[in-house]
Parts: sequence; structure tokens; C-alpha cells
Amino acid sequence: AQTVTQSQPEMSVQEAETVTLSCTYDTSESDYYLFWYKQPPSRQMILVIRQEAYKQQNATENRFSVNFQKAAKSFSLKISDSQLGDAAMYFCAYRDFLINAGGTSYGKLTFGQGTILTVHP
Amino acid sequence: NAGVTQTPKFQVLKTGQSMTLQCAQDMNHEYMSWYRQDPGMGLRLIHYSVGAGITDQGEVPNGYNVSRSTTEDFPLRLLSAAPSQTSVYFCASSPRQGSNIQYFGAGTRLSVL
Repeated sequence: AQTVTQSQPEMSVQEAETVTLSCTYDTSESDYYLFWYKQPPSRQMILVIRQEAYKQQNATENRFSVNFQKAAKSFSLKISDSQLGDAAMYFCAYRDFLINAGGTSYGKLTFGQGTILTVHP
Repeated sequence: NAGVTQTPKFQVLKTGQSMTLQCAQDMNHEYMSWYRQDPGMGLRLIHYSVGAGITDQGEVPNGYNVSRSTTEDFPLRLLSAAPSQTSVYFCASSPRQGSNIQYFGAGTRLSVL
């Protein structure tokens, strides 16, 4: 079974600085998806960024970027120019890339334990 | 632009009571899922459905029941609530094609006394 590990229960950063959240995973598959979700105090789960394992290039979304190391099974999230609104719980998640006769099939999302990010003004 | 709607947002039950958590989506997504979130454990899959009339168990299915009679709705039933089911519950939906990005509802906080 796939596992996802976030070894940092809590992290903090000063406003406008850069912070990196760590995530490692274990899988025997060669094709899969990786995600970072943000959960602010409102509880809403918000997709931050997505990476396909077959793509060598690291995904980027504005101030958010990832460092995807496939051989090391590592998927860290870098937040640049941190803002107060970035304060939240961040979850790393893994999904198999499954194909069936119909073209695609359901892939279970496996989540890490989460990292609470605090942003200091 | 409703997306995934969960009701209620909060609920308190007594041990042994039953209830249904409602989930509806208006994006015509084939896939729907229920997760529970517990401190230090992330989100864990309870049940999921790949289309109307088709459901399957996830990682932690015991004590929960689901059905999918329409594409839009995927209710989660607690048959006899136990304190161990105190948690935050999330419903999610995703399209069958493409990367299957899951879109989450706002969650239901359930306390079982």
C-alpha cells in the first residue's frame, strides 16, 4: 500500500520569506499524481498544486512551487514571499495513475498527516 | 457555482443514534468519495463511488454505509454512532477523465457523546 509521510508537524515563517514543506511517499508504481492541498481555519480543502510523475519539470503556481525528486520519492512544497493568508494546514497527497478499458479509473487519494504553517507578520 | 455541498456543517449525536450526512455535487462528476479527518492522521477514505449504483469500500469503512442512486448525491449513513466516529467528514467529487482532481465540500464536524 502507498504511504505518504509529512515529517514536520509544524512550521513557521516570517511574512515575505520563503518556507519549504517536506513530503515523502512510498510506492512501487512508476506513474502517479502528487498533490498539495491547503486547509485554512475554514476547513475547506483547497488544491494548491499538482504534479504528474511522468513529467520531469517541477510544477509551479504563482508563489508555490514543488521540488519533485522521483528517485528519492520526495515532493516538497516551496512557498515564496509568504503572506498571512498562507497560514493553514498543508496536506501532501498521492494518487495512482490508473487506466482501465474505459480510459481511466478511480485512484484513491492517500494523504500525509499534515503540516501546520504559521506566518508571522 | 455550488460545487460540492455538505449538510449539516455540525452535528452532535448520542452513542447508538443513527444519522445521514448529505453530499451533493452539481458538476456532473462520476466519482464521489467520503473521507474522515482525525488529528495527526490526515484524511482517510471511508467509501467511494465510480458512478450511480456502484460503490466500494475505502480504508476505514466499518460502521458506515453508502448508496449512490443518482450522479449528484452520495449520502453517508452512520448506522449506530460510536464515540470513535467523532471526526470531521469530507465529501469529494472528481471527473472520470483527466487527472481526476478531487473537489472537496466544506466538511461536517460530528461529535458522538
